[in-house]
Amino acid sequence: DQQVKQNSPSLSVQEGRISILNCDYTNSMFDYFLWYKKYPAEGPTFLISISSIKDKNEDGRFTVFLNKSAKHLSLHIVPSQPGDSAVYFCAASAIRGAQKLVFGQGTRLTINP
Amino acid sequence: DVKVTQSSRYLVKRTGEKVFLECVQDMDHENMFWYRQDPGLGLRLIYFSYDVKMKEKGDIPEGYSVSREKKERFSLILESASTNQTSMYLCASSVPGTGAWSQFFGPGTRLTVL
Repeated sequence: DQQVKQNSPSLSVQEGRISILNCDYTNSMFDYFLWYKKYPAEGPTFLISISSIKDKNEDGRFTVFLNKSAKHLSLHIVPSQPGDSAVYFCAASAIRGAQKLVFGQGTRLTINP
Repeated sequence: DVKVTQSSRYLVKRTGEKVFLECVQDMDHENMFWYRQDPGLGLRLIYFSYDVKMKEKGDIPEGYSVSREKKERFSLILESASTNQTSMYLCASSVPGTGAWSQFFGPGTRLTVL
């Protein structure tokens, strides 16, 4: 039972354009969401997060949007740069729970020059 | 900077062998986690620990055990390795109650079981 789903295994975007990565969740108890970025042969690194009391969080070129009614979140990267090419994982947690993160399957983003 | 290190980057073992994967973090974090990453499945939690000598099962604990004798060290044990345990294993640590809920990951160990 995949509680966090990233339905696009891969995404290819032109350098300078916007990259939009999507994530859906099914568990209504989730109230904290994170995005991680992973390069080959490295561990994931934390990118940006959002709590359920917000619908948007911005950090430089990265913005995460949360639509609670649709149980959907998205990560926008503007403008996309070649160094953004990586696998992006969406993760969710229930703050009242056990501090566990539930991860999606990941989306491989490729930025083309 | 938080540093999470894993004892091996690559490991090749034979079916039936006992395998130890070691993880050490240097930031005095209470929480430590073991995941495996497989294509199309993302990261799945195997075991986690809130404190020394404490452990909790994650989503896929079958075939694995863990040990946390010291706060900085969390070991994953494959009692009798099988080919379906060939995977990338990732260790992570975090501080409870930080509000950020972000976990810091090690570089991973790619385990191949022949």
